[in-house]
Amino acid sequence: SQQGEEDPQALSIQEGENATMNCSYKTSINNLQWYRQNSGRGLVHLILIRSNEREKHSGRLRVTLDTSKKSSSLLITASRAADTASYFCATDYYNFNKFYFGSGTKLNVKP
Amino acid sequence: DAMVIQNPRYQVTQFGKPVTLSCSQTLNHNVMYWYQQKSSQAPKLLFHYYDKDFNNEADTPDNFQSRRPNTSFCFLDIRSPGLGDAAMYLCATSSSLGNQPQHFGDGTRLSIL
Repeated sequence: SQQGEEDPQALSIQEGENATMNCSYKTSINNLQWYRQNSGRGLVHLILIRSNEREKHSGRLRVTLDTSKKSSSLLITASRAADTASYFCATDYYNFNKFYFGSGTKLNVKP
Repeated sequence: DAMVIQNPRYQVTQFGKPVTLSCSQTLNHNVMYWYQQKSSQAPKLLFHYYDKDFNNEADTPDNFQSRRPNTSFCFLDIRSPGLGDAAMYLCATSSSLGNQPQHFGDGTRLSIL
């Protein structure tokens, strides 16, 4: 499969704690994206990180990319109940120009 | 606000009865995608259009077809739905292939009786 794999599959934390999700992939990529999906809704784009970038920030989100290990992580700091959702990484494969989604991490933030 | 709209949000059809799902966009994006997402799974790419060029994924069943009559609209046709086709169907757009974010609609949840 060309999909990324994410871990953990599920994560439950208290409000205010940090949440870290990891994504591993198999072949060279142009870029990697992270998306959030609330239950029963479409996906919302969070961050795009290119293969020549190592870290990117957006508000409470921090994404890192290690191309030597073919892995990425998404850190959500000071989590809120509203962050409860599934989080997916999506990778394009160089020259394929299409995205394939990982299996996702289901995050539950308890108030 | 510019957006991607999918209609209907919920669709019920009978086993074997053709069904069409629709997607419209006001973003004027060149690329439109259709994904199938089953419960607790990753979205699976079925096909995409780059302008009028249609690109089918190798493992997309022949039962699934798509039409894009103009930039704004794209349709997913399921010719003879089986029970295994019950899923959420997501439409997405992007301004170009590869290194651009995708913008998703809220999906159509398809049930098969």
